[in-house]
Amino acid sequence: GENVEQHPSTLSVQEGDSAVIKCTYSDSASNYFPWYKQELGKRPQLIIDIRSNVGEKKDQRIAVTLNKTAKHFSLHITETQPEDSAVYFCAARSPRGAGTALIFGKGTTLSVSS
Amino acid sequence: EAGVTQSPTHLIKTRGQQATLRCSPISGHTSVYWYQQALGLGLQFLLWYDEGEERNRGNFPPRFSGRQFPNYSSELNVNALELEDSALYLCASSLGGAGVDYGYTFGSGTRLTVV
Repeated sequence: GENVEQHPSTLSVQEGDSAVIKCTYSDSASNYFPWYKQELGKRPQLIIDIRSNVGEKKDQRIAVTLNKTAKHFSLHITETQPEDSAVYFCAARSPRGAGTALIFGKGTTLSVSS
Repeated sequence: EAGVTQSPTHLIKTRGQQATLRCSPISGHTSVYWYQQALGLGLQFLLWYDEGEERNRGNFPPRFSGRQFPNYSSELNVNALELEDSALYLCASSLGGAGVDYGYTFGSGTRLTVV
């Protein structure tokens, strides 16, 4: 089945810097790649997603890139702010067979200091 | 619009007992997913239900089971509880089923503690 690796596990940046989180997936058939943000004590929330027919997607300070050949995708956050501090999860979904649920990476704890 | 609701918020059980967790999806969502979030292990996929049927399950033993009701709500049952079952159990819902890619909306979770 699908396996998603995420790194780094922790990331500390200064306010205003950029942050990059990278994920790799194992199933070449996977075609949907969302990113979730989980603040302390709260539920994970979808922040951006990308489908396999697109190489890059942006939403204000957040962007996601996808390299299907290398089977990896990345989250880029520019001009980081303290409120960006949270755990970020990448995920992938394969349509093989009856389809699968999202498989998540183990998460990256991002700390933004002011 | 009400979000995904889970009950109870907290549950304390003794090793060997059974636990039942409940989830109500967003109105109109037919798919319900269950994940286990244990410290340091991220979100591990447990079960996926759509239109009342189990579509897929993760690498968990058979004592983790569940069902989906005609109103699309779902329950997760964990039998013969073990200490390592202690975790936050998250339910999520989405539109559609197999072959459809939508983001999930998560509930706030049930914190299960096994003593």
